[in-house]
Amino acid sequence: AQSVTQLDSQVPVFEEAPVELRCNYSSSVSVYLFWYVQYPNQGLQLLLKYLSGSTLVKGINGFEAEFNKSQTSFHLRKPSVHISDTAEYFCAVSDRGNNFNKFYFGSGTKLNVKP
Amino acid sequence: ETGVTQTPRHLVMGMTNKKSLKCEQHLGHNAMYWYKQSAKKPLELMFVYSLEERVENNSVPSRFSPECPNSSHLFLHLHTLQPEDSALYLCASSQDTSGSLKTQYFGPGTRLLVL
Repeated sequence: AQSVTQLDSQVPVFEEAPVELRCNYSSSVSVYLFWYVQYPNQGLQLLLKYLSGSTLVKGINGFEAEFNKSQTSFHLRKPSVHISDTAEYFCAVSDRGNNFNKFYFGSGTKLNVKP
Repeated sequence: ETGVTQTPRHLVMGMTNKKSLKCEQHLGHNAMYWYKQSAKKPLELMFVYSLEERVENNSVPSRFSPECPNSSHLFLHLHTLQPEDSALYLCASSQDTSGSLKTQYFGPGTRLLVL
C-alpha cells in the first residue's frame, strides 16, 4: 500500500524568503505525484503534478517540485514567498495503472508567511 | 458554473436530523469522490463512483449514504450523525480512463457541524 509523509506540520517563513515543503512517499509501484494547496475555507486546488518526463515540474504561483525516485521524494519549493502563499499544502500520490484514481494524501503542511 | 460545486457550504445539524450534501461537476468527468477532512488528519477517502457505479467504500458507517444519479451529480445523505462526524466534506471528480491523465479536481467543500 502507498503512504505519504509530510514531516513538517507547520512551516513559518518570512516574506520573500525561499521555502521547501517536504514530501516522501512509499510505494511498490510507479506513481503519479501531486501537490495541492488549500486556502482557508476553500477546497483543494491543484498546484502541480508529475506524471512522467522531466523530474522538475513547474506549477502555478511560482511553485516547483522535483521528483527524486531514489529518495522517493517530491519536495515543493518556491524561491521567494508572498503573504498570499499562506495556506495548507498537501502532497498526494496515485498508482499508475490502477483501475480508478485512488489518491493517498499526506497530513498537510501549513505554510505561514510572515511580513 | 465551472469546475466542481458543492452545496451547502455550511451545515449545522442535530444528531436526529436527516440532510443531504450535493456535488456537481461541470468538467465532463466520469468519476466522483467524497472525502472527509478532519483537523490534524489526512484526507479520508469515503466513496468512489466510476461511471455512476460505486467502486470503493472505505468502511464508512451506514449513517453516510452516497448516491450518484448521473456522472455529473453526487450526493451524500446524512442521518443520525455523531458529533465526531463534524468535518469538512470534499467532493472531487476526475476522468477515470485507463492511462488517462489522473488528476482529481476538488470542490470548495461543505463544513458540517453536528450538535
